[in-house]
Amino acid sequence: AQSVTQLDSQVPVFEEAPVELRCNYSSSVSVYLFWYVQYPNQGLQLLLKYLSGSTLVKGINGFEAEFNKSQTSFHLRKPSVHISDTAEYFCAVTGSSNTGKLIFGQGTTLQVKP
Amino acid sequence: DVKVTQSSRYLVKRTGEKVFLECVQDMDHENMFWYRQDPGLGLRLIYFSYDVKMKEKGDIPEGYSVSREKKERFSLILESASTNQTSMYLCASSFMRSRNEQFFGPGTRLTVL
Repeated sequence: AQSVTQLDSQVPVFEEAPVELRCNYSSSVSVYLFWYVQYPNQGLQLLLKYLSGSTLVKGINGFEAEFNKSQTSFHLRKPSVHISDTAEYFCAVTGSSNTGKLIFGQGTTLQVKP
Repeated sequence: DVKVTQSSRYLVKRTGEKVFLECVQDMDHENMFWYRQDPGLGLRLIYFSYDVKMKEKGDIPEGYSVSREKKERFSLILESASTNQTSMYLCASSFMRSRNEQFFGPGTRLTVL
């Protein structure tokens, strides 16, 4: 069965510093991978997704992620964070059936400090 | 602009009450989902619907039921609310295939006293 592990529950970082949020998945089949962001008191919105092709995926708000099949990872990165990036970030992988179901990680809270 | 709306942002109910949470999407999506979000546990799927009147249990269906009478509307029902159902509830919708992203509503924070 598929599973997703986000290795850090909280990541504190100073403004303008780079950040990496880590995500590992387990799956015996090809998967699609997603990163979502949840700002305080809001629902989730899509940051980026990997379907196929180039392993480096660019998303909104300057975020990017790299799909690494051999390490079964999909880490999210941003070279310089802003206060407004403070939010919870979720990594997700498609389930084994082609039904549109997603399996979510536990979430990583990014805390950007001035 | 795509929209998923949920009937309430905040709800307070008493133990034993019947609770209805409603979700409406305007994107003609086949799939609709109800998740529960708790700190440190991420999002857990309660129920999933891939068509009108069709439903499938998710990972934590106990204590919940759902209804989908129209394509755009998906309701989550707590037959007899309990304090351990205090949580944030998120609705989402998507087109059928797995490559399609899910679109989320703003969430309902339910407190059961």
